[in-house]
Amino acid sequence: QKEVEQNSGPLSVPEGAIASLNCTYSDRGSQSFFWYRQYSGKSPELIMFIYSNGDKEDGRFTAQLNKASQYVSLLIRDSQPSDSATYLCAGRGSSGNTGKLIFGQGTTLQVKP
Amino acid sequence: GAVVSQHPSWVICKSGTSVKIECRSLDFQATTMFWYRQFPKQSLMLMATSNEGSKATYEQGVEKDKFLINHASLTLSTLTVTSAHPEDSSFYICSARAASSSSYNEQFFGPGTRLTVL
Repeated sequence: QKEVEQNSGPLSVPEGAIASLNCTYSDRGSQSFFWYRQYSGKSPELIMFIYSNGDKEDGRFTAQLNKASQYVSLLIRDSQPSDSATYLCAGRGSSGNTGKLIFGQGTTLQVKP
Repeated sequence: GAVVSQHPSWVICKSGTSVKIECRSLDFQATTMFWYRQFPKQSLMLMATSNEGSKATYEQGVEKDKFLINHASLTLSTLTVTSAHPEDSSFYICSARAASSSSYNEQFFGPGTRLTVL
C-alpha cells in the first residue's frame, strides 16, 4: 500500500464548476499535508497546506482534512481552464523531523471551456 | 520571497559523462534541501535529503556513489550525476526548506533540470 494515494484521473470538469480532488494516507502520525499544482514540464508550486482537522480556505481553494478517516481533499471553486494541471498531495512523514514529504502520484485535472 | 533556482534548466550529455546540477535558495537560508527525480507521467520520487555541512541521506535504491550530493552552504546544494546513462534521463527537481521554517515544513521547489543522456 502506498503511503499517499490519489486517483490519477484525469478528472474532467466544465469551466465554472467545482473540482474535487481527493487523497488518502496511511501514516496516522502524519502531521501536515500539502497540495501542489504542477503544470506539464514545470516543477510543483505550493497551493496550500493544512494541519488541523476541518477546512482551510484560500481564495478559490479549500483544503479539507479528516484525520480520523486519513483523508485530505482540495476543492477548487469556479474552475478555470488555467487550473488544468496535475495536483499533487503530499504528507509530512511522522518519523523524525527531516521534513521529508511523501507525495501521491498526482491527479490530472482538465477544465473544459 | 522563497525563491529557489536551479542551473542548468536543461542539459544534454553523452553517455559516460558527469553532469552537475546546482540548486540555490536566493532569498533565504536553507538548512535542508531535497533532490527529487520525476519520470514522465509519474510523481516526484525523493532521491536524497541534504543538510548543510553533513552527508546526504539517500532513499532506498538510490546509489550514493552515482548521485553525489554536496550541501556546502546554506544557499547552495549540488547534485552530480556521475557516469550518466540514458536511463538517468529525467527531470531533476530540488526543493529547499528554510532555516526558520515553521513546523509545517513548507518546501519551495526549484524550476527543475531536464537531463537527457544520449
